[in-house]
Amino acid sequence: DAKTTQPTSMDCAEGRAANLPCNHSTISGNEYVYWYRQIHSQGPQYIIHGLKNNETNEMASLIITEDRKSSTLILPHATLRDTAVYYCIVRVQRGGSNYKLTFGKGTLLTVNP
Amino acid sequence: DVKVTQSSRYLVKRTGEKVFLECVQDMDHENMFWYRQDPGLGLRLIYFSYDVKMKEKGDIPEGYSVSREKKERFSLILESASTNQTSMYLCASSLFPQGAINGYTFGSGTRLTVV
Repeated sequence: DAKTTQPTSMDCAEGRAANLPCNHSTISGNEYVYWYRQIHSQGPQYIIHGLKNNETNEMASLIITEDRKSSTLILPHATLRDTAVYYCIVRVQRGGSNYKLTFGKGTLLTVNP
Repeated sequence: DVKVTQSSRYLVKRTGEKVFLECVQDMDHENMFWYRQDPGLGLRLIYFSYDVKMKEKGDIPEGYSVSREKKERFSLILESASTNQTSMYLCASSLFPQGAINGYTFGSGTRLTVV
């Protein structure tokens, strides 16, 4: 699976958009970008994933650059409950023998009142 | 929504005890996983199972075993608990081997302390 690079921490004001970047310059053509988050003392929670098109769901938007070497997770109106560690993961969706999901250190997003 | 339920939120056990951590999922997922999470080390895969009675070692299986007698239940067993197994244990499930359309679903975790 391709390696990802994320900032260690970020701050965001409540009500503003939170933009979390992720670099994955060695991504392969069949690898997807997944985002998870982990609120303190809870298990990780799936947010969104995409291959090359931008994606949006009820939680967030995912913007993937045209060369697919980086992406940005956007929380359009951050709330205090969005304070969490956000993980960007790149992997194949199906196929191969690697079943596991590998989490890096992620970005600690702190939403401030 | 898929629900992954871990039987205990907090657990305190003595060194040398045999410990069972239970995980149940309610969406008929084939794949189930056990991770542990430690500060500075992130999530590490202990064991996973892709079918009933099937299991494979993850990155750190030493000191652990697993059991999957029914599709919905995946148990992690610490044969003889040691203090270095004090950790947060997370169970997850997924529909397809490499993650379902909506990825993996995790339980809330069991914080195990071995004294």
